[in-house]
Amino acid sequence: DAKTTQPTSMDCAEGRAANLPCNHSTISGNEYVYWYRQIHSQGPQYIIHGLKNNETNEMASLIITEDRKSSTLILPHATLRDTAVYYCIVRLYSGGGADGLTFGKGTHLIIQP
Amino acid sequence: DVKVTQSSRYLVKRTGEKVFLECVQDMDHENMFWYRQDPGLGLRLIYFSYDVKMKEKGDIPEGYSVSREKKERFSLILESASTNQTSMYLCASSSSGTLPPYEQYFGPGTRLTVT
Repeated sequence: DAKTTQPTSMDCAEGRAANLPCNHSTISGNEYVYWYRQIHSQGPQYIIHGLKNNETNEMASLIITEDRKSSTLILPHATLRDTAVYYCIVRLYSGGGADGLTFGKGTHLIIQP
Repeated sequence: DVKVTQSSRYLVKRTGEKVFLECVQDMDHENMFWYRQDPGLGLRLIYFSYDVKMKEKGDIPEGYSVSREKKERFSLILESASTNQTSMYLCASSSSGTLPPYEQYFGPGTRLTVT
């Protein structure tokens, strides 16, 4: 799996959009970008994934650059409950989904009231 | 709402004890996973299972075993607990198939302390 680079920490004001960048310059053509988050003392939570196109779900939007070397996770209206460590992962699945996850250090997002 | 539950949130055991950690999922998922998470070391895969009675070693299986007798239940066993197994243990499940996303759903974790 390709390596990812994320800022160690970020602040965002409550109600504003939180934009979390991720660099994955060595991504290969069939690797997906995934985002998970982990709120303190809880298990990780899947947020969103994408291959080439931008994606949106009820939690967030994922913007992937045309060359796929970086992406941005957008939480459109951040709340205090969004304070968490956010992990960007690049994965190549061999089929069946029985592959373990490996998290880097992630970005600690702090939502300020 | 999808649900992965773990038998205990906090557990304290003595060195040498046999420890059972239970995980149950209600999503009819084929794949189940056990991880441990330690500060500075991130998330590490211990074992996973892709079907009933099937298991595969992850990155750090030493000192652990697993059991999957029913599709919804995946147990992690510490045969003889040691202090270096003090950690947060996380169970996860995912569906299988031919295409991603295969997102994993995690339980709340069990914080195990071995004294």
